[in-house]
Amino acid sequence: KAGVTQTPRYLIKTRGQQVTLSCSPISGHRSVSWYQQTPGQGLQFLFEYFSETQRNKGNFPGRFSGRQFSNSRSEMNVSTLELGDSALYLCASSLAGGRRTEAFFGQGTRLTVV
Amino acid sequence: SQQGEEDPQALSIQEGENATMNCSYKTSINNLQWYRQNSGRGLVHLILIRSNEREKHSGRLRVTLDTSKKSSSLLITASRAADTASYFCATDALSGGSNYKLTFGKGTLLTVNP
Repeated sequence: KAGVTQTPRYLIKTRGQQVTLSCSPISGHRSVSWYQQTPGQGLQFLFEYFSETQRNKGNFPGRFSGRQFSNSRSEMNVSTLELGDSALYLCASSLAGGRRTEAFFGQGTRLTVV
Repeated sequence: SQQGEEDPQALSIQEGENATMNCSYKTSINNLQWYRQNSGRGLVHLILIRSNEREKHSGRLRVTLDTSKKSSSLLITASRAADTASYFCATDALSGGSNYKLTFGKGTLLTVNP
């Protein structure tokens, strides 16, 4: 079974631009979550999608948004990029979003804003 | 805010020795998961322990959970240089409803010297 796939692996963007990151979950998994990892703040929850619906959102500004498609693939978008958005963005998938299932992570997209 | 707090922040041992990392959390949980991360890459799922379990084993890994103390420990036996990585605990809060949100600690950086 293929794991969680995130594309692209690396991105360099300029301040003010926008970016879209993609995540393909493990086949059969319906819950997709996004996390931001920075040296200063560690791993922080961005949002979670299940069956194309956002069920929970972390404490991030509205510039961070996401969506999930009918095939469970998910995208997150960051608009008006700031230097502080430079981070490793990780996507996780789980079977049904239930509280007793493991969450499996992709390799991440490393975003650098210059 | 970080739910889990790993202790110690850094640990350096010799190959063949055992490594123990601890995690404390603040709220009641459904389960607790341990992950490994190599050099800022993706998170590798190690083990999930449910709130009604006290101990779990997987190969050289042993995880314990004490819900009365809100703490967990990860023991890696007979460590190898390849175990060098950052280790994170992640909790799924009991009050999280139907959505799936993991809260991570800041991690323990384990260095295994050959």
